[in-house]
Amino acid sequence: DIQMTQSPSTLSASVGDRVTITCRASQSVKSWLAWYQQKPGKAPKLLIYKASSLENGVPSRFSGSGSGTEFTFTISSLQPDDFATYYCQQYSTYSWTFGQGTKVEIK
Amino acid sequence: QITLKESGPTLVKPTQTLTLTCTFSGFSLSTSGVGVAWIRQPPGQALEWLAGIHWNDEIRYSTSLRSRLTITKDTSRDQVVLTMTNMDPVDTATYYCAHRLIWQGLDYWGQGALVTVSS
Repeated sequence: DIQMTQSPSTLSASVGDRVTITCRASQSVKSWLAWYQQKPGKAPKLLIYKASSLENGVPSRFSGSGSGTEFTFTISSLQPDDFATYYCQQYSTYSWTFGQGTKVEIK
Repeated sequence: QITLKESGPTLVKPTQTLTLTCTFSGFSLSTSGVGVAWIRQPPGQALEWLAGIHWNDEIRYSTSLRSRLTITKDTSRDQVVLTMTNMDPVDTATYYCAHRLIWQGLDYWGQGALVTVSS
């Protein structure tokens, strides 16, 4: 299986900060990567698919980039509603996999 | 409007078989490009993809759990069923089903169903 490694595991930031999360794949997933936001007790929400495509209705402060094995997820200006856990997920191969998650906390 | 809802037992005993049903509306699993996946999340842990089934009957399973999983669809009833055999306490988790369009992510999710494995 392709392993997805996110860094950092936890991130402390303030409102207005630019936040970047990295996701590395153990082998190429081309651009078949999605990013999700999850809040406690809630189902995940799709933010980005195909590495950089913004899901309908998702604010433009969220963006994704990368291809192959290295991907970046950015929040350009962190808002109070953005404190949550974020997951990357590859859907390139037969068996899909998620990263271990990055918790964005209030600094 | 697409909605999905998971249903099944909240408590199962070790070694038993778990059967979960995902009942959906707002789309058809006979429409080209559509799929439904199952994902789980143990308390306080990360998401884990389990299985997926698509409009063309293509099925995919987690490599590590493949021997224990079966996913089926009933297009006429708008349901997808996941069975997991030989349940263990480590399988305690919230189980989600989700919709996808081919080449895109999981864009609609159910509310999740907590399944506890305990004797």
